[in-house]
Amino acid sequence: AQKVTQAQTEISVVEKEDVTLDCVYETRDTTYYLFWYKQPPSGELVFLIRRNSFDEQNEISGRYSWNFQKSTSSFNFTITASQVVDSAVYFCALTPPSNYGQNFVFGPGTRLSVLP
Amino acid sequence: GAGVSQSPRYKVAKRGQDVALRCDPISGHVSLFWYQQALGQGPEFLTYFQNEAQLDKSGLPSDRFFAERPEGSVSTLKIQRTQQEDSAVYLCASSPGTSGVPYEQYFGPGTRLTVT
Repeated sequence: AQKVTQAQTEISVVEKEDVTLDCVYETRDTTYYLFWYKQPPSGELVFLIRRNSFDEQNEISGRYSWNFQKSTSSFNFTITASQVVDSAVYFCALTPPSNYGQNFVFGPGTRLSVLP
Repeated sequence: GAGVSQSPRYKVAKRGQDVALRCDPISGHVSLFWYQQALGQGPEFLTYFQNEAQLDKSGLPSDRFFAERPEGSVSTLKIQRTQQEDSAVYLCASSPGTSGVPYEQYFGPGTRLTVT
């Protein structure tokens, strides 16, 4: 069975602080994909990144960076110099590749509040 | 271009009523997903379509839930004899990918269902 854990339920930071959101996953598949999505107050989930299990390179996109460590089954997300607009719920998700369906498993989410 | 749209945005139903939730995916997107998101939780997978074929319905919580996508575009999620535990936000997502590598999903704004 697949499972995604986001142990931090809520995080509050002051603007310009760096913040890391943790994601730990469980799967028996050798090939799988990990995602991060952002859900702002408007409600629509917004795609941030996809990573496959064979690519352990860290990735940076502007103020966002992701640290994938297969050895610890973690895919953590860091926001550098946070801004108020980063306030949202962030979800980590996992899925295997499949010819018969794509059953995405989402974590419970971390609510990030960035205070001015 | 137009994103994923869902209607109605809000639905209040009395216990025992049937409801139908509509999803208009992004034009040309082959894959379509339905999720249920309870308050404060991550989205939970309900069902997946590839064109008009329902390839995975393992997440549907009971036989009161039924989804269809007869022409491979618009999809309807129907809930019969609604119960209070059905109260949630129902999210629809589409993606251009089919089998193999899972593409990012584009989410609609959701339909908030309240059963009284």
